[in-house]
Amino acid sequence: GAGVSQTPSNKVTEKGKYVELRCDPISGHTALYWYRQSLGQGPEFLIYFQGTGAADDSGLPNDRFFAVRPEGSVSTLKIQRTERGDSAVYLCASSQAGTSGSKPYEQYFGPGTRLTVT
Amino acid sequence: SQKIEQNSEALNIQEGKTATLTCNYTNYSPAYLQWYRQDPGRGPVFLLLIRENEKEKRKERLKVTFDTTLKQSLFHITASQPADSATYLCALSFSGYALNFGKGTSLLVTP
Repeated sequence: GAGVSQTPSNKVTEKGKYVELRCDPISGHTALYWYRQSLGQGPEFLIYFQGTGAADDSGLPNDRFFAVRPEGSVSTLKIQRTERGDSAVYLCASSQAGTSGSKPYEQYFGPGTRLTVT
Repeated sequence: SQKIEQNSEALNIQEGKTATLTCNYTNYSPAYLQWYRQDPGRGPVFLLLIRENEKEKRKERLKVTFDTTLKQSLFHITASQPADSATYLCALSFSGYALNFGKGTSLLVTP
């Protein structure tokens, strides 16, 4: 079956522009996560969706970042007024569910979108 | 604050030897811990999950230990192969769903 897909694979934009990054999770996975990875660092959590709702957006760095998942499958991460510091690889992951008590689920990651802000 | 620390230096070993990677954490008592592998230009791939009440978990040539007293997990690859060369990430969940990752340890297995 298909894994998590992300588009575009690369995005170069000018400082101040608006960008949208798309994630298509594994079919049937209710949980979807966005992470950001800078060079030499591990992924950093941004936001988590359970179904259509954002269950936790505490990792979003500021109000320029916003994400949606209107139908509970595809998600879009939106960044307004991009800054050079936003340059990173943006990773999307999905899992069967979030964690429930003692039953955690492994996360399946997409290949990421490399965002470069010039 | 909660921290996850992995060997910052790359680990170079010879093919056939056992690679041991370390993950230490502070100011937290996680219910479980996960290990992921990441190749250049790709997203992380899940390898193993170990719960706080499990001392050791094995999967083929991989072995993970979890010492909640030392707040440490060790990840072993036995009979290592050049194809095992990658970055290995340790991850904990501080809040039940989102993962917090260490910086990762780069492993290079030479023939």
